[in-house]
Amino acid sequence: DSGVTQTPKHLITATGQRVTLRCSPRSGDLSVYWYQQSLDQGLQFLIQYYNGEERAKGNILERFSAQQFPDLHSELNLSSLELGDSALYFCASSVGVGQGAGNTIYFGEGSWLTVV
Amino acid sequence: DAKTTQPTSMDCAEGRAANLPCNHSTISGNEYVYWYRQIHSQGPQYIIHGLKNNETNEMASLIITEDRKSSTLILPHATLRDTAVYYCIVRVGGTYKYIFGTGTRLKVLA
Repeated sequence: DSGVTQTPKHLITATGQRVTLRCSPRSGDLSVYWYQQSLDQGLQFLIQYYNGEERAKGNILERFSAQQFPDLHSELNLSSLELGDSALYFCASSVGVGQGAGNTIYFGEGSWLTVV
Repeated sequence: DAKTTQPTSMDCAEGRAANLPCNHSTISGNEYVYWYRQIHSQGPQYIIHGLKNNETNEMASLIITEDRKSSTLILPHATLRDTAVYYCIVRVGGTYKYIFGTGTRLKVLA
């Protein structure tokens, strides 16, 4: 158990709908990262927040948005869903924002999203 | 954006050492190399990281070349449970992006 909690674990929704994925980082971690993993695809970096502020952006679609709240939990909002958005969405957290000896990133178990 | 290159797949006999290479020729001087593995569709699991010196923990050893352009993850006595996709990652220079490459699919054979 990494200490990163993601909900829901599984979600099935229809095209055109909107969903919200939630992440609680490990206690004490200020950074939250979101990754997308489609079937047989690698882990695609979407976005990173540190203490409520966006710090890095990857290949995140305009239909997707994220935020980190004052209590440090984060939400990833996916709207106007398409079949191709079906994927495993991972949240990860770390203490700091940069890379360093103590800034290991720990991953949650993911949220499976199926768009039908 | 991918800054690491790894073999697509490798096989290893159970009980033998598994040596997984990674090329990160564009790594900056103060950037660490991190290794993770993903078993089936579980969340990636942290294995080890290093900067310049070789590192060892209870899971694996990490050998980093002197020029830091490549590294090797060593699983000293591979077991069937080590079958997974192994990723080495570095930070994209000047950003906070941690980009995963395609990884190496390690299959440990009985």
